[in-house]
Amino acid sequence: GAVVSQHPSWVICKSGTSVKIECRSLDFQATTMFWYRQFPKQSLMLMATSNEGSKATYEQGVEKDKFLINHASLTLSTLTVTSAHPEDSSFYICSVRGSSYNEQFFGPGTRLTVL
Amino acid sequence: AQSVTQLDSQVPVFEEAPVELRCNYSSSVSVYLFWYVQYPNQGLQLLLKYLSGSTLVKGINGFEAEFNKSQTSFHLRKPSVHISDTAEYFCAAQKGGGNTPLVFGKGTRLSVIA
Repeated sequence: GAVVSQHPSWVICKSGTSVKIECRSLDFQATTMFWYRQFPKQSLMLMATSNEGSKATYEQGVEKDKFLINHASLTLSTLTVTSAHPEDSSFYICSVRGSSYNEQFFGPGTRLTVL
Repeated sequence: AQSVTQLDSQVPVFEEAPVELRCNYSSSVSVYLFWYVQYPNQGLQLLLKYLSGSTLVKGINGFEAEFNKSQTSFHLRKPSVHISDTAEYFCAAQKGGGNTPLVFGKGTRLSVIA
């Protein structure tokens, strides 16, 4: 399967600052990328879907101006949490899919803690 | 919309005993089904998937699952668990035939007791 990396693996920031999380598909042409967030002991909740070169499609209840997603190439997507607050503290996981719609690969996740 | 139900939030089981983790999905004309495992502070790893064909699917680490269309179920089983199987297990479904996102169940915490 595809190898997906995320950077950073964990980050601590002050309230009000912005944090950028990178998701890279190392050996796979990711035509679609997904961003999920996971609260402790809960399931993955889809935040947004992005196709390379297009604007992301956000799920209901997810603020697009707060969670900026850029899918600039087939191997890179970034999620920027703007003006982060403690309630944004979570585990953020990216996932990639290629032309085969029944295969999806996940990154290792990024732990964000906002103080 | 697709939905996935994992009825058991926690399943404790003794080492070397069999285990079944239950998953039910909402009916759809065509559906792909998946089981993922998540170890602490890590991403998800695919255990197995059902796309079509044989209803018994074998995956990694000795796990298998059976697709039951009449009961809209996709239960995960392992005949003999190890301590290292302790993890969170997620069932997921995807409407087949298109680039639709995975929908996850709430997860089942499998705890293997020595």
